[in-house]
Amino acid sequence: DAKTTQPTSMDCAEGRAANLPCNHSTISGNEYVYWYRQIHSQGPQYIIHGLKNNETNEMASLIITEDRKSSTLILPHATLRDTAVYYCIVRSTHRDDKIIFGKGTRLHILP
Amino acid sequence: NAGVTQTPKFQVLKTGQSMTLQCAQDMNHNSMYWYRQDPGMGLRLIYYSASEGTTDKGEVPDGYNVSRLKKQNFLLGLESAAPSQTSVYFCASSVQSRAEQYFGPGTRLTVT
Repeated sequence: DAKTTQPTSMDCAEGRAANLPCNHSTISGNEYVYWYRQIHSQGPQYIIHGLKNNETNEMASLIITEDRKSSTLILPHATLRDTAVYYCIVRSTHRDDKIIFGKGTRLHILP
Repeated sequence: NAGVTQTPKFQVLKTGQSMTLQCAQDMNHNSMYWYRQDPGMGLRLIYYSASEGTTDKGEVPDGYNVSRLKKQNFLLGLESAAPSQTSVYFCASSVQSRAEQYFGPGTRLTVT
Protein backbone atom coordinates (compact mmCIF):
# COMPACT_ATOMS: atom_id res chain seq x y z
CA ASP A 1 0.00 0.00 0.00
CA ALA A 2 1.09 3.56 -0.67
CA LYS A 3 2.34 5.63 2.23
CA THR A 4 0.54 8.72 3.42
CA THR A 5 1.80 11.90 5.01
CA GLN A 6 -0.37 13.98 7.33
CA PRO A 7 0.34 16.92 9.62
CA THR A 8 0.84 15.90 13.21
CA SER A 9 -1.77 18.29 14.57
CA MET A 10 -4.21 21.01 13.56
CA ASP A 11 -6.55 23.44 15.26
CA CYS A 12 -9.94 24.60 14.02
CA ALA A 13 -12.49 26.96 15.54
CA GLU A 14 -15.86 25.50 16.44
CA GLY A 15 -18.42 26.07 13.70
CA ARG A 16 -15.81 26.53 10.98
CA ALA A 17 -14.90 24.01 8.32
CA ALA A 18 -12.01 21.74 9.24
CA ASN A 19 -9.81 20.84 6.27
CA LEU A 20 -7.45 17.96 6.88
CA PRO A 21 -4.81 17.35 4.19
CA CYS A 22 -3.20 14.08 3.23
CA ASN A 23 -0.39 13.45 0.80
CA HIS A 24 -0.24 10.11 -1.00
CA SER A 25 2.06 10.81 -3.91
CA THR A 26 2.85 7.13 -4.58
CA ILE A 27 -0.76 6.00 -4.79
CA SER A 28 -1.45 3.51 -7.55
CA GLY A 29 -4.44 3.31 -9.87
CA ASN A 30 -6.41 0.71 -7.92
CA GLU A 31 -5.89 2.20 -4.47
CA TYR A 32 -8.66 4.00 -2.64
CA VAL A 33 -8.26 6.77 -0.08
CA TYR A 34 -9.94 5.99 3.24
CA TRP A 35 -10.42 8.21 6.27
CA TYR A 36 -11.01 7.03 9.81
CA ARG A 37 -11.01 8.93 13.07
CA GLN A 38 -10.42 7.96 16.66
CA ILE A 39 -11.99 9.93 19.45
CA HIS A 40 -10.09 9.65 22.72
CA SER A 41 -10.30 6.17 24.28
CA GLN A 42 -12.73 4.89 21.65
CA GLY A 43 -12.34 2.54 18.71
CA PRO A 44 -11.63 4.05 15.30
CA GLN A 45 -14.62 5.13 13.26
CA TYR A 46 -14.90 4.89 9.48
CA ILE A 47 -15.66 8.26 7.89
CA ILE A 48 -15.49 8.08 4.11
CA HIS A 49 -13.54 6.72 1.17
CA GLY A 50 -13.04 7.50 -2.51
CA LEU A 51 -11.12 6.53 -5.63
CA LYS A 52 -10.91 9.62 -7.82
CA ASN A 53 -14.21 11.45 -7.64
CA ASN A 54 -15.09 13.72 -4.77
CA GLU A 55 -17.34 12.05 -2.22
CA THR A 56 -19.76 13.36 0.39
CA ASN A 57 -21.72 11.69 3.14
CA GLU A 58 -23.46 12.78 6.31
CA MET A 59 -20.18 13.11 8.17
CA ALA A 60 -17.74 14.69 5.75
CA SER A 61 -16.59 15.45 2.22
CA LEU A 62 -13.52 14.02 0.55
CA ILE A 63 -11.77 16.02 -2.14
CA ILE A 64 -9.16 14.13 -4.20
CA THR A 65 -6.88 16.04 -6.56
CA GLU A 66 -7.00 15.22 -10.24
CA ASP A 67 -3.58 13.54 -10.12
CA ARG A 68 -4.71 11.65 -6.99
CA LYS A 69 -1.50 12.48 -5.18
CA SER A 70 -3.27 14.26 -2.35
CA SER A 71 -6.66 14.63 -0.76
CA THR A 72 -8.50 16.73 1.80
CA LEU A 73 -11.09 15.63 4.30
CA ILE A 74 -13.58 18.39 5.06
CA LEU A 75 -15.74 18.52 8.16
CA PRO A 76 -18.11 21.33 7.12
CA HIS A 77 -19.14 22.66 10.55
CA ALA A 78 -16.74 21.36 13.17
CA THR A 79 -18.01 20.77 16.70
CA LEU A 80 -16.16 19.98 19.90
CA ARG A 81 -17.14 16.34 19.39
CA ASP A 82 -15.00 16.27 16.25
CA THR A 83 -11.82 16.55 18.34
CA ALA A 84 -10.01 13.31 17.44
CA VAL A 85 -7.09 11.77 15.61
CA TYR A 86 -7.83 11.48 11.89
CA TYR A 87 -6.17 8.76 9.85
CA CYS A 88 -5.73 8.89 6.09
CA ILE A 89 -5.09 5.46 4.57
CA VAL A 90 -4.65 4.28 1.02
CA ARG A 91 -5.63 0.75 0.30
CA SER A 92 -6.27 -1.49 -2.67
CA THR A 93 -9.61 -3.23 -2.82
CA HIS A 94 -8.33 -5.63 -5.45
CA ARG A 95 -6.33 -7.60 -2.93
CA ASP A 96 -6.87 -8.69 0.65
CA ASP A 97 -4.77 -5.80 1.94
CA LYS A 98 -4.60 -4.98 5.57
CA ILE A 99 -5.19 -1.44 6.76
CA ILE A 100 -1.95 0.18 7.87
CA PHE A 101 -2.66 2.97 10.34
CA GLY A 102 -0.05 5.70 10.61
CA LYS A 103 0.03 8.32 13.35
CA GLY A 104 -2.68 10.50 11.82
CA THR A 105 -3.53 14.15 12.47
CA ARG A 106 -4.65 15.23 15.92
CA LEU A 107 -7.45 17.74 15.32
CA HIS A 108 -8.32 20.11 18.13
CA ILE A 109 -11.62 21.97 17.85
CA LEU A 110 -11.39 25.21 19.78
CA PRO A 111 -14.47 26.71 21.46
CA ASN B 1 -27.66 -3.54 16.07
CA ALA B 2 -24.99 -3.59 18.75
CA GLY B 3 -22.29 -3.56 16.07
CA VAL B 4 -18.97 -4.86 17.35
CA THR B 5 -18.76 -5.72 21.04
CA GLN B 6 -15.71 -6.72 23.07
CA THR B 7 -15.35 -8.37 26.44
CA PRO B 8 -13.91 -7.67 28.88
CA LYS B 9 -13.50 -3.88 28.84
CA PHE B 10 -10.62 -3.97 31.31
CA GLN B 11 -8.30 -6.76 32.43
CA VAL B 12 -5.22 -7.03 34.63
CA LEU B 13 -3.04 -10.12 34.30
CA LYS B 14 0.11 -11.30 35.97
CA THR B 15 3.07 -12.30 33.81
CA GLY B 16 2.63 -15.85 32.59
CA GLN B 17 -1.15 -15.97 32.94
CA SER B 18 -3.32 -16.77 29.96
CA MET B 19 -6.61 -15.31 28.84
CA THR B 20 -8.95 -14.91 25.88
CA LEU B 21 -10.33 -11.65 24.59
CA GLN B 22 -13.74 -11.99 23.00
CA CYS B 23 -15.18 -10.13 20.03
CA ALA B 24 -18.65 -10.45 18.57
CA GLN B 25 -20.37 -8.73 15.65
CA ASP B 26 -24.02 -8.80 14.65
CA MET B 27 -23.69 -7.31 11.18
CA ASN B 28 -23.17 -10.64 9.37
CA HIS B 29 -19.71 -9.48 8.32
CA ASN B 30 -17.37 -11.99 6.74
CA SER B 31 -14.06 -10.51 7.88
CA MET B 32 -12.81 -9.78 11.37
CA TYR B 33 -9.59 -8.30 12.77
CA TRP B 34 -7.61 -7.85 15.96
CA TYR B 35 -5.41 -4.76 16.47
CA ARG B 36 -3.36 -3.45 19.33
CA GLN B 37 -2.67 0.18 20.08
CA ASP B 38 0.16 1.32 22.30
CA PRO B 39 0.34 4.86 23.75
CA GLY B 40 0.96 7.51 21.10
CA MET B 41 0.98 4.95 18.30
CA GLY B 42 -1.31 3.97 15.51
CA LEU B 43 -3.04 0.61 15.39
CA ARG B 44 -1.09 -2.50 14.48
CA LEU B 45 -2.75 -5.59 13.08
CA ILE B 46 -2.24 -8.77 15.11
CA TYR B 47 -4.37 -11.30 13.22
CA TYR B 48 -7.24 -11.21 10.82
CA SER B 49 -9.86 -13.58 9.48
CA ALA B 50 -11.13 -13.12 5.95
CA SER B 51 -13.97 -15.59 6.53
CA GLU B 52 -15.28 -18.07 9.07
CA GLY B 53 -12.75 -20.80 9.74
CA THR B 54 -9.75 -18.95 8.26
CA THR B 55 -7.12 -16.83 9.99
CA ASP B 56 -3.93 -15.08 8.93
CA LYS B 57 -1.10 -13.30 10.70
CA GLY B 58 -0.81 -9.54 10.69
CA GLU B 59 2.14 -7.33 11.60
CA VAL B 60 2.60 -8.40 15.24
CA PRO B 61 1.26 -11.96 15.77
CA ASP B 62 3.93 -13.29 18.15
CA GLY B 63 2.57 -14.30 21.56
CA TYR B 64 -1.04 -14.47 20.36
CA ASN B 65 -3.38 -17.03 18.88
CA VAL B 66 -6.84 -16.63 17.38
CA SER B 67 -9.95 -18.66 16.72
CA ARG B 68 -12.83 -18.03 14.29
CA LEU B 69 -15.13 -21.01 14.74
CA LYS B 70 -18.31 -18.99 14.25
CA LYS B 71 -18.89 -16.21 11.76
CA GLN B 72 -19.93 -13.73 14.43
CA ASN B 73 -17.09 -14.38 16.89
CA PHE B 74 -13.33 -13.81 16.77
CA LEU B 75 -11.30 -14.78 19.82
CA LEU B 76 -7.79 -13.54 20.67
CA GLY B 77 -5.74 -15.66 23.05
CA LEU B 78 -2.68 -14.78 25.07
CA GLU B 79 -0.96 -18.02 25.99
CA SER B 80 1.55 -16.61 28.48
CA ALA B 81 1.07 -12.91 29.06
CA ALA B 82 4.10 -10.61 29.10
CA PRO B 83 4.36 -6.95 30.18
CA SER B 84 5.06 -6.06 26.53
CA GLN B 85 1.47 -7.09 25.77
CA THR B 86 0.09 -4.29 27.90
CA SER B 87 -1.99 -2.39 25.39
CA VAL B 88 -5.47 -1.51 24.20
CA TYR B 89 -6.89 -4.20 21.95
CA PHE B 90 -9.45 -3.40 19.28
CA CYS B 91 -11.54 -5.81 17.30
CA ALA B 92 -13.03 -4.82 13.94
CA SER B 93 -15.20 -6.36 11.27
CA SER B 94 -15.99 -5.67 7.63
CA VAL B 95 -18.48 -7.06 5.16
CA GLN B 96 -15.53 -8.41 3.19
CA SER B 97 -11.80 -8.11 3.59
CA ARG B 98 -11.56 -5.18 1.17
CA ALA B 99 -14.27 -3.02 2.69
CA GLU B 100 -14.37 -0.41 5.41
CA GLN B 101 -13.95 -1.71 8.92
CA TYR B 102 -16.13 -1.13 11.97
CA PHE B 103 -14.43 -1.18 15.33
CA GLY B 104 -15.38 -2.23 18.83
CA PRO B 105 -14.82 -0.10 21.95
CA GLY B 106 -11.58 -1.83 22.95
CA THR B 107 -10.19 -3.92 25.79
CA ARG B 108 -7.62 -2.30 28.04
CA LEU B 109 -5.15 -4.96 29.15
CA THR B 110 -2.42 -4.49 31.74
CA VAL B 111 0.16 -7.20 32.37
CA THR B 112 2.16 -6.78 35.57
